[in-house]
Amino acid sequence: GAVVSQHPSRVICKSGTSVKIECRSLDFQATTMFWYRQFPKKSLMLMATSNEGSKATYEQGVEKDKFLINHASLTLSTLTVTSAHPEDSSFYICRATPGDMNTEAFFGQGTRLTVV
Amino acid sequence: GQNIDQPTEMTATEGAIVQINCTYQTSGFNGLFWYQQHAGEAPTFLSYNVLDGLEEKGRFSSFLSRSKGYSYLLLKELQMKDSASYLCAVQDSNYQLIWGAGTKLIIKP
Repeated sequence: GAVVSQHPSRVICKSGTSVKIECRSLDFQATTMFWYRQFPKKSLMLMATSNEGSKATYEQGVEKDKFLINHASLTLSTLTVTSAHPEDSSFYICRATPGDMNTEAFFGQGTRLTVV
Repeated sequence: GQNIDQPTEMTATEGAIVQINCTYQTSGFNGLFWYQQHAGEAPTFLSYNVLDGLEEKGRFSSFLSRSKGYSYLLLKELQMKDSASYLCAVQDSNYQLIWGAGTKLIIKP
């Protein structure tokens, strides 16, 4: 199957700092990328959908100024958590699709963010 | 509203068979996915059903009945490594994935 690389896999940062998470599709062009957040023992919560070259569409309740998403190319999307707080600590996962929605979705490895 | 229901937790014995059910109510339907997720890791794809019937893939099979809004994932010859959460997700009319909360499967020797 196709490969989606997410980096870093784990990050610890101090309150008030910003953290950037990268999601790359290694062997296909990802027209659409999705960013999810997952709390322990909970399902995936969609944060935003990004299409290459356009602004991301955020889900209700997700602060777009806090969670900055950039999808500058067909193989790279980034999520920046700005002014991080301990409550932002979570597991963040990206998902990429090649454009054909009727196929499996390819996930990155996930990023465990801990804000201290 | 849209919702996906699946049991929170199931326990089975190594070597046995287990069936994980998923019922859904969504705005439109463009396929149902099953994913496996080990603790602390991202989900990995198991199956995709868009037509009624059973899809078999090795030890795993997935069944869909669109008229009943129902699917199940069947795992045979269970191995200890199958201990994980199994997520059911439905793609709605806008191709958005609606996720179930996942079923934690515990395999006992």
